[in-house]
Amino acid sequence: EVQLAESGGGLVQPGGSLRLSCAASAFTLTSYAMSWVRQAPGKGLEWVSTISVSGDSTYYADSVKGRFTISRDNSKNTLYLQMNSLRAEDTALYYCAKLTSASCYGAFHIWGQGTVVTVSS
Amino acid sequence: DIVMTQSPDSLPVSLGERATINCKSSQSVLYSSNNKSYLAWYQHKPGQPPKLLIYWASTRESGVPDRFTGSGSGTDFTLTISSLQAEDVAVYYCQQHFSFPFTFGPGTKVDIK
Repeated sequence: EVQLAESGGGLVQPGGSLRLSCAASAFTLTSYAMSWVRQAPGKGLEWVSTISVSGDSTYYADSVKGRFTISRDNSKNTLYLQMNSLRAEDTALYYCAKLTSASCYGAFHIWGQGTVVTVSS
Repeated sequence: DIVMTQSPDSLPVSLGERATINCKSSQSVLYSSNNKSYLAWYQHKPGQPPKLLIYWASTRESGVPDRFTGSGSGTDFTLTISSLQAEDVAVYYCQQHFSFPFTFGPGTKVDIK
């Protein structure tokens, strides 16, 4: 069964850093663009970032641009999200998602269960 | 940025009845070269990740029951649940995957009347 498993979430102080990981199983990451999507408590879904198959193209929401970095290690079948200068408003459940194709303009096809990031002093 | 709006915010529907959710984008999400609207619908239940129902406005994802139908083009879209089942209680989101930043609608909560 195609699955994604996020890890790396936790409690961090404002200004701190975290690196989220997303491990893929039962499919090859190299064939798909990938994304991160988050949901703050009591709020709707917010797209965070997308990365191309090669990793050469990356896209970010304005709210995280310059602070978050998406990357992938296709040899490890893993997607990452490096989050720096974290703010209280980054508190959310973070999902990784496989897109419907190699194109970055696909829908979010398969989602992980998510990992919780809490930014608080 | 493309702003997505949905109506209604909340939709109580009797079991077996039709549910209709509307979604509007502030700009067209129709890609003229392939005549596809880059609009997706997701179902989100508490404690679960969102589930893709529909993409390209009307293409049903594999395994999604045929009571779910997406329609529309350009800027106006509709998700119809033809006969509501108890397991369809959820929040439904539309999302444009036409241009970055990708944006979601605010969601429509569907429950049983």
